[in-house]
Amino acid sequence: DSGVTQTPKHLITATGQRVTLRCSPRSGDLSVYWYQQSLDQGLQFLIQYYNGEERAKGNILERFSAQQFPDLHSELNLSSLELGDSALYFCASSAKLGDFYGYTFGSGTRLTVV
Amino acid sequence: GENVEQHPSTLSVQEGDSAVIKCTYSDSASNYFPWYKQELGKGPQLIIDIRSNVGEKKDQRIAVTLNKTAKHFSLHITETQPEDSAVYFCAAWGVGANAGKSTFGDGTTLTVKP
Repeated sequence: DSGVTQTPKHLITATGQRVTLRCSPRSGDLSVYWYQQSLDQGLQFLIQYYNGEERAKGNILERFSAQQFPDLHSELNLSSLELGDSALYFCASSAKLGDFYGYTFGSGTRLTVV
Repeated sequence: GENVEQHPSTLSVQEGDSAVIKCTYSDSASNYFPWYKQELGKGPQLIIDIRSNVGEKKDQRIAVTLNKTAKHFSLHITETQPEDSAVYFCAAWGVGANAGKSTFGDGTTLTVKP
């Protein structure tokens, strides 16, 4: 157990729908990162939050949004889902901004859009 | 932005042999280069990392080398074992305006044959 908790583990939904993925960072970690891993592709950085504020943005679609709450858990919202959004979504956390030594991934949420 | 290329995409070795995975990056300002191992159904796990002020780092059977001039870094696994079979990802962390953003390679699927 890495200490980073992601729920749900699996999600199947239809095109056009909206889903919310949840991430609880490791205890004491303030920074949360979201990644998308599509089939046959590497990890694509989506967005980073630090202590409730957005800090860095990658190639995140406008249909996707995220937030980090006061208790430091984070949610990734995916709307108007398309077949191509089917992927593994990972959350990672670290203790402080730019912490290079405490970067821990969760086990991921597998999203299938049908 | 940063671009990371990883080779080879697949690598098969006999147990006990060495395995080498190479990555190149484009942004000369990147200064942190971690390697992750991802086993089936799990999130990526940090196995070794190197900072730009170091040329080589070793941890038991795993070593990483960095050539800043050529902008490439490599993962070396010696005396491979079947449990080393996994997907390995390299990454480069941004600095300055790209601080907090990490760019991953597309991954190398390593198979160690007993």
